[in-house]
Amino acid sequence: QTVVTQEPSLTVSPGGTVTLTCASSTGAVTSGHYPNWFQQKPGQAPRALIYSTSNKHSWTPARFSGSLLGGKAALTLSGVQPEDEAEYYCLVYYGGVQFGVFGGGTKLTVL
Amino acid sequence: QVQLQESGPGLVKPSETLSLICTVSGASVRSDYWNWIRQPPGKGQEWIGYVSYSGSTNYNPSLQSRVTMSVDTSKNQFSLRLTSLTAADTAVYYCARQFGSYSSGWGLDYWGQGSLVTVSS
Repeated sequence: QTVVTQEPSLTVSPGGTVTLTCASSTGAVTSGHYPNWFQQKPGQAPRALIYSTSNKHSWTPARFSGSLLGGKAALTLSGVQPEDEAEYYCLVYYGGVQFGVFGGGTKLTVL
Repeated sequence: QVQLQESGPGLVKPSETLSLICTVSGASVRSDYWNWIRQPPGKGQEWIGYVSYSGSTNYNPSLQSRVTMSVDTSKNQFSLRLTSLTAADTAVYYCARQFGSYSSGWGLDYWGQGSLVTVSS
């Protein structure tokens, strides 16, 4: 069974920078896994932030960026705002896009 | 503006079959790929699968024996059918659009607001 792992929780100060990562049990995450990132606030549907490693949607704030880092997919928030406090999920595709696996999510606290 | 809206029963009995519909506006189901994702209460997301504009499907291997997805181009809708329900299937079910290609990359962009399905007698 393929497992995608994220940090369970992270804390960052307002204005700071934080990097969330997404690892695959099958080995290094590459661009061929088309990693996506989503933000979810309580009681809301997920909101798409990043697709295919580093591409932003038209509504994605500039402070969010995606990359590959040390064999993992990474989401970096620069100049964190209080409204960035949320759960963040990555989605990794396997076999092209034959099936997708979500990470368990990272609860980001802005404190 | 692309919008997706799930509809279906909020309560289903164990061993019965769940049927959900996602109605799409602002886009056509004659293109792209149309996904179902679920989230059990207090837990993370689980990818269920997708149906393409042509009707081809790909499912989560863990659910494959119980899942069927289809697309209705005349109504601009797509649907999920999940059989042999248990309490473990209790979740918020989301529909979402998948766009892209192998050359430009793949992503999920627009999501529905979600539909809570409770499996209980």
